[in-house]
Amino acid sequence: EPEVTQTPSHQVTQMGQEVILRCVPISNHLYFYWYRQILGQKVEFLVSFYNNEISEKSEIFDDQFSVERPDGSNFTLKIRSTKLEDSAMYFCASSVVGAPRDEQFFGPGTRLTVL
Amino acid sequence: AQKITQTQPGMFVQEKEAVTLDCTYDTSDPSYGLFWYKQPSSGEMIFLIYQGSYDQQNATEGRYSLNFQKARKSANLVISASQLGDSAMYFCAMREGLIQGAQKLVFGQGTRLTINP
Repeated sequence: EPEVTQTPSHQVTQMGQEVILRCVPISNHLYFYWYRQILGQKVEFLVSFYNNEISEKSEIFDDQFSVERPDGSNFTLKIRSTKLEDSAMYFCASSVVGAPRDEQFFGPGTRLTVL
Repeated sequence: AQKITQTQPGMFVQEKEAVTLDCTYDTSDPSYGLFWYKQPSSGEMIFLIYQGSYDQQNATEGRYSLNFQKARKSANLVISASQLGDSAMYFCAMREGLIQGAQKLVFGQGTRLTINP
């Protein structure tokens, strides 16, 4: 069964460093998302992406964040200068156009630890 | 205002019993979808069940069913014959609007379910 994959599974970085989280959505999906989950808290929407541009972003998704689809398969989230409060699990998700429920399939997540 | 409210931070249930996890939602959009996800200790998000706002019948997926009460804006998850492997965090989520597009999911705070042997 096709699945969303994410790399790395765990990233440790120093405050102020740039990180890039990578995702490979399901191949026939056209809508892509990033969510984050701070430890012990609920999952929060960051950004959605369609047709090579951002569809919607939350107030969390400030100028330090960017997304890109550099090729036909990868979808990346970049944090330019990480802060301690960026430590969280980051989930990538994708969905297909026209499905009755437009279910979002989640990847396994990347745990980001900022020291 | 909270769009999704899960009032049970934790629940403890005996194995083989049925369990109901509560979820209420708030939206003025007549078109929406409601989802339940399971998050085991390993961290991944596993889709369980979906209910559309126009669906006439309550959704069922194996041991999972959704008790959808539209007038009360509630979408409770019912797990029948609970198993030890059901121990996990459960999140209720809503997507507003059913037009095609990248509609975000809004999640509740989650309920941690523990199944006791």
